[in-house]
Amino acid sequence: EAAVTQSPRSKVAVTGGKVTLSCHQTNNHDYMYWYRQDTGHGLRLIHYSYVADSTEKGDIPDGYKASRPSQENFSLILELASLSQTAVYFCASRWPGQGTGNTLYFGEGSRLIVV
Amino acid sequence: GDSVTQTEGLVTLTEGLPVMLNCTYQTIYSNPFLFWYVQHLNESPRLLLKSFTDNKRTEHQGFHATLHKSSSSFHLQKSSAQLSDSALYYCAENYNQGKLIFGQGTKLSIKP
Repeated sequence: EAAVTQSPRSKVAVTGGKVTLSCHQTNNHDYMYWYRQDTGHGLRLIHYSYVADSTEKGDIPDGYKASRPSQENFSLILELASLSQTAVYFCASRWPGQGTGNTLYFGEGSRLIVV
Repeated sequence: GDSVTQTEGLVTLTEGLPVMLNCTYQTIYSNPFLFWYVQHLNESPRLLLKSFTDNKRTEHQGFHATLHKSSSSFHLQKSSAQLSDSALYYCAENYNQGKLIFGQGTKLSIKP
């Protein structure tokens, strides 16, 4: 079974503070992703990575940075947390494969509340 | 750019009735891959089913969907709803190598 683990699972952060969400996968997948989930907006892609030491911007990258120091680890960094970044964040991984239909495996989610 | 639209935010049904959740998409690619992911309460999303082939029915766990490229649709159906089907359902499209775009999600609530 695919395994993607996130930490912390829940966090309360102060506006203007720095937040780091971590993701670790043992699937040996090349691709990793960070999504945020908001009611009415679904899952929106923040950053993703195809390979270690390289990250790409997703659809809503503003206010977020990403780091992929190894194949297994992918972090999402909020340098200056804002109220609008209160959400549930999901990390995911998948095989690249030849096609584009490979399954996305999600972590348990990290609930972030910015106050 | 590409987009996925789920028109219903909430669908409430009585147990035993048929389920149909709508999904349409827009893409510049001629061969998109379409997915349905399901997320139960306090869980993470997981794949329910997927399709790449035009006009071919795909089934899994009692649910089915058919990709219709002519209408850019990939509706999710089930003949008889169960209480355990209550969940959040996402339609998604792989619109670029490695990238998935999700719809807004439809919350399905099944009542006894």
